[in-house]
Amino acid sequence: DTGVSQDPRHKITKRGQNVTFRCDPISEHNRLYWYRQTLGQGPEFLTYFQNEAQLEKSRLLSDRFSAERPKGSFSTLEIQRTEQGDSAMYLCASSSLLPQTGGKMNTEAFFGQGTRLTVV
Amino acid sequence: AQSVTQLGSHVSVSEGALVLLRCNYSSSVPPYLFWYVQYPNQGLQLLLKYTSAATLVKGINGFEAEFKKSETSFHLTKPSAHMSDAAEYFCAVRPPSNTGKLIFGQGTTLQVKP
Repeated sequence: DTGVSQDPRHKITKRGQNVTFRCDPISEHNRLYWYRQTLGQGPEFLTYFQNEAQLEKSRLLSDRFSAERPKGSFSTLEIQRTEQGDSAMYLCASSSLLPQTGGKMNTEAFFGQGTRLTVV
Repeated sequence: AQSVTQLGSHVSVSEGALVLLRCNYSSSVPPYLFWYVQYPNQGLQLLLKYTSAATLVKGINGFEAEFKKSETSFHLTKPSAHMSDAAEYFCAVRPPSNTGKLIFGQGTTLQVKP
């Protein structure tokens, strides 16, 4: 396994167009996260999935954003009617929730190389 | 709510000098803490993590960090900087809700001068 893979690496789109990004997590990982990173800032959490269930969405995720993970494997993030403020690096990460004595443990997150979106 | 503050958005050191990148966190419960490195146009790579075991944590590429509860700090250090260490460094805290999501600081850009 080569790690978390994201496609495309770069996307330039005109304002108002829709875009879709794909993330392929590490195969045995059951959790998948999307983050957004704007220039000069740290990544900000957008949403996460455990298997195919989307369990949490940030208030940053407006109704123009939708994420899916239909079979609990790869995930897509779609942005409708893009705006210039959507220009950012979109990062995907994956991890696993594993059983351990007394409960469950979340393993460390591994990040993909990101998709850089530029809205012109 | 948990948060992370990285003091100094830019740090410049000479090659061979000590690297010190500062991170303070706020958390009502013992947190999990992480340092990630990001090279230009790349994703994040984990340097090290604190998960309530030893307070001095050793990571990759010669980096280490010390968890100090009394100071709510988790500063990253390296005894001798190398040119290849030039990158952006992010401190992150993982809330105890077990969702696994990370809250990142704003990052510190490390410049290494020859």
